[in-house]
Amino acid sequence: NAGVMQNPRHLVRRRGQEARLRCSPMKGHSHVYWYRQLPEEGLKFMVYLQKENIIDESGMPKERFSAEFPKEGPSILRIQQVVRGDSAAYFCASSPPSETQYFGPGTRLLVL
Amino acid sequence: DQQVKQNSPSLSVQEGRISILNCDYTNSMFDYFLWYKKYPAEGPTFLISISSIKDKNEDGRFTVFLNKSAKHLSLHIVPSQPGDSAVYFCAATDTGRRALTFGSGTRLQVQP
Repeated sequence: NAGVMQNPRHLVRRRGQEARLRCSPMKGHSHVYWYRQLPEEGLKFMVYLQKENIIDESGMPKERFSAEFPKEGPSILRIQQVVRGDSAAYFCASSPPSETQYFGPGTRLLVL
Repeated sequence: DQQVKQNSPSLSVQEGRISILNCDYTNSMFDYFLWYKKYPAEGPTFLISISSIKDKNEDGRFTVFLNKSAKHLSLHIVPSQPGDSAVYFCAATDTGRRALTFGSGTRLQVQP
């Protein structure tokens, strides 16, 4: 059973560009979560989605960030007009209806 | 306001001895707790969890203890092995909400 897949693993963007991060959950998992880790810090919750629904976006910055989990295809975290402070590791996790979340390898975003 | 705290940034133990990693929380709504292990440039790997209705959960070399009155949990690894060297994150959630709140991590070094 393949684990949570994320791509790309590394992404370099210039200030003002858009970043799109993709996450395919584990087979059978219908719950997807996005977290961000800044250097030397723990992971911070951003958003929780189920298919076609945003359940909890309390950790998402109010501007430039959006997330979706369409009926078909991976979940997408989109960052518009990136700034240097967006440089971080972005982790996706998935879970069945139970509480345990399983994480992907992360996407490391570097904004130049 | 850090709701989950790991006050020891690092810990060094000898191979074969016990490793004890500690975690404190402040939010009394938290009712499910997890430990993750993380290697550099990888995603967190789930280790063990505990519900607030229990005070101990054991899985092989890993045991998690929960003291609800003190809002404290600990992870015991025995015997410690060099392959256990990693950063360990404590996480907590209110199962009604699902978003995980992470501590800042403890770097464990197991000396051969």
